[in-house]
Amino acid sequence: GAVVSQHPSWVICKSGTSVKIECRSLDFQATTMFWYRQFPKQSLMLMATSNEGSKATYEQGVEKDKFLINHASLTLSTLTVTSAHPEDSSFYICSAAELTGLNGNTIYFGEGSWLTVV
Amino acid sequence: AQSVAQPEDQVNVAEGNPLTVKCTYSVSGNPYLFWYVQYPNRGLQFLLKYITGDNLVKGSYGFEAEFNKSQTSFHLKKPSALVSDSALYFCAVRATGTASKLTFGTGTRLQVTL
Repeated sequence: GAVVSQHPSWVICKSGTSVKIECRSLDFQATTMFWYRQFPKQSLMLMATSNEGSKATYEQGVEKDKFLINHASLTLSTLTVTSAHPEDSSFYICSAAELTGLNGNTIYFGEGSWLTVV
Repeated sequence: AQSVAQPEDQVNVAEGNPLTVKCTYSVSGNPYLFWYVQYPNRGLQFLLKYITGDNLVKGSYGFEAEFNKSQTSFHLKKPSALVSDSALYFCAVRATGTASKLTFGTGTRLQVTL
C-alpha cells in the first residue's frame, strides 16, 4: 500500500515555543491531507483538511492561528503548533488521500507524532 | 451528518478462535467503509475497504468484513485470531462526493489471549 511518512515521531518542547510536524506522501501525490489529534484511549479527532495550494479547512473549535497548516506541494503538508502549552500535548496523526490509481478512495495514515509540551 | 458506532469498547477472544468486531454506520447515500488497525504509539494501518461490488471484502492479515446494507453494518471478522492481532481497531465511513473526509468510530480494543 501507499506510504505516508510523518516526522518527528516524538518531540518535546518548552511552553511558548512553536513546533512543526511534517507529513509526506512518499509514493503518491496527495492533493488532500488531513490532520488529526488523538487523546489517550480515544478516537481520532479531525482538526483540519489540508488542500494543496489553498488554505486549510479547520473543524469547528480548532484554532487556526494556533495550529498552522501549510500544504505547499502534492507530497508535503506541515502542522505548526504555535505558542505551545501543556494542554497541546497529544498524539498528532496525518493522513493523505490517494484518489487515483488502483488504491483510489483510500486514505493512508502516518505513524503519528507525540508532542509533549513542558 | 455521517456517523459510525462501534458498540464494544473491548473484545476478548482466545487465540485460534474466530473474532468479530462490530461496526454500524449512518450516512446519506452510498457509503465508503474502512477498517484501520492501530498498534500502541503508532499511526493507523489500512486493513480493508468497501467501495462497491462484492459485499464480502478481504483485506490484510487474513481479515475480512461484510457489508450489509439493510443492517447498515460492516463487521470485521477473522476465522482464527492470533495474539499479534491484539490492537485497537477503528471503523470509518465517508459518503461519496465528500472529498475524502472520514468519520471514525470510537475504536474497539481487541485482546487475543493464549
